Amino acid sequence: GQQVMQIPQYQHVQEGEDFTTYCNSSTTLSNIQWYKQRPGGHPVFLIQLVKSGEVKKQKRLTFQFGEAKKNSSLHITATQTTDVGTYFCAGHGGGGADGLTFGKGTHLIIQP
Amino acid sequence: DTGVSQNPRHKITKRGQNVTFRCDPISEHNRLYWYRQTLGQGPEFLTYFQNEAQLEKSRLLSDRFSAERPKGSFSTLEIQRTEQGDSAMYLCASSLPRPRQPNYGYTFGSGTRLTVV
Repeated sequence: GQQVMQIPQYQHVQEGEDFTTYCNSSTTLSNIQWYKQRPGGHPVFLIQLVKSGEVKKQKRLTFQFGEAKKNSSLHITATQTTDVGTYFCAGHGGGGADGLTFGKGTHLIIQP
Repeated sequence: DTGVSQNPRHKITKRGQNVTFRCDPISEHNRLYWYRQTLGQGPEFLTYFQNEAQLEKSRLLSDRFSAERPKGSFSTLEIQRTEQGDSAMYLCASSLPRPRQPNYGYTFGSGTRLTVV
């Protein structure tokens, strides 16, 4: 079955440093979504990417979808303490299945 | 409508007992999903409804698990003969009916934390 892998599993940064998490799928994805989960909270939808090579920005967050639609990345510029949490990528496979497959997430820890 | 509502928030049960969780999705969302999340892991897909029809079910899902959405609104997830390995956060999510819309994404509830002792 489809597998979605994320690296790194944990990332410690100083406040103000940049952060990047990478997502790779074992199969071609029809689209990819990113979610953020705060400690003790539930996943919150951030964005969906659909097109090959697509790049989208949300303030300090930049999302990319690979040309082959098998990988994606999330980059945060100048991290703030409010960015703390776990960032998940999740993909829909190309076979029509509608259940999103989530990666294990990258836990972002920010030291002030 | 304030979002996806799940009840109860916490459930402690003895091994072998049956438990049932409820999810009330956002009213205009016709798609409803159940996920399970354990500590340090991503949400794991269990099953999905479009209106009242259960369209997809994880192959990993034990036959002790059953879900219903009888009128296409709220949904229930039942676990029969619970085992300690069933201890997890059970998340419900709902979404708009058009997956290709740019802002399509799942809205998750706060979850039901199940502890089997």
